[in-house]
Amino acid sequence: LAKTTQPISMDSYEGQEVNITCSHNNIATNDYITWYQQFPSQGPRFIIQGYKTKVTNEVASLFIPADRKSSTLSLPRVSLSDTAVYYCLVGDAADYKLSFGAGTTVTVRA
Amino acid sequence: NAGVTQTPKFRVLKTGQSMTLLCAQDMNHEYMYWYRQDPGMGLRLIHYSVGEGTTAKGEVPDGYNVSRLKKQNFLLGLESAAPSQTSVYFCASSHALRGLNTEAFFGQGTRLTVV
Repeated sequence: LAKTTQPISMDSYEGQEVNITCSHNNIATNDYITWYQQFPSQGPRFIIQGYKTKVTNEVASLFIPADRKSSTLSLPRVSLSDTAVYYCLVGDAADYKLSFGAGTTVTVRA
Repeated sequence: NAGVTQTPKFRVLKTGQSMTLLCAQDMNHEYMYWYRQDPGMGLRLIHYSVGEGTTAKGEVPDGYNVSRLKKQNFLLGLESAAPSQTSVYFCASSHALRGLNTEAFFGQGTRLTVV
């Protein structure tokens, strides 16, 4: 599995855009990049997944540069309810396992 | 839609006692996982299964055993509980990880305290 590095914590205010960058220098050709969100006392929840360029859904956008050695999760106009831990995962179908690091704790303030 | 259901939600054990955590999914997923999460830390993989009748060790398997006798159920057993096993346990399931749009679904967790 490609090792990932992401900031431990980030602070923001309501209405701002939050960008979390994940480094994965050893990403392999078959690897996908997936982000999960975890609220306190709940299990993680899938947010978005991508392979290259840009992916957008109703919750977030994922930007992946051409070299794929990093990716950025963008949360537009955050609210207090976006306060959570965000995990970046990199892997492919042959890995079977989902390995979570420590994640990034995002705190949104009023 | 039930999704992934964990039983029980809370439990207090005495050191040396045994117990089994049950995970049930109704999405016909091939893969199932057991994780533990300690305060302020990420999830660590205990054991996982890629299909009925098969199991494999994750990052922290010591002190735990698992069984996957039926596709929809994944059991996590603690033979002799220790205080170090105090944690929140999460079960997850997913379709076989092939390509995009493959996500894992998590249960609500089991909070286990060993005294």
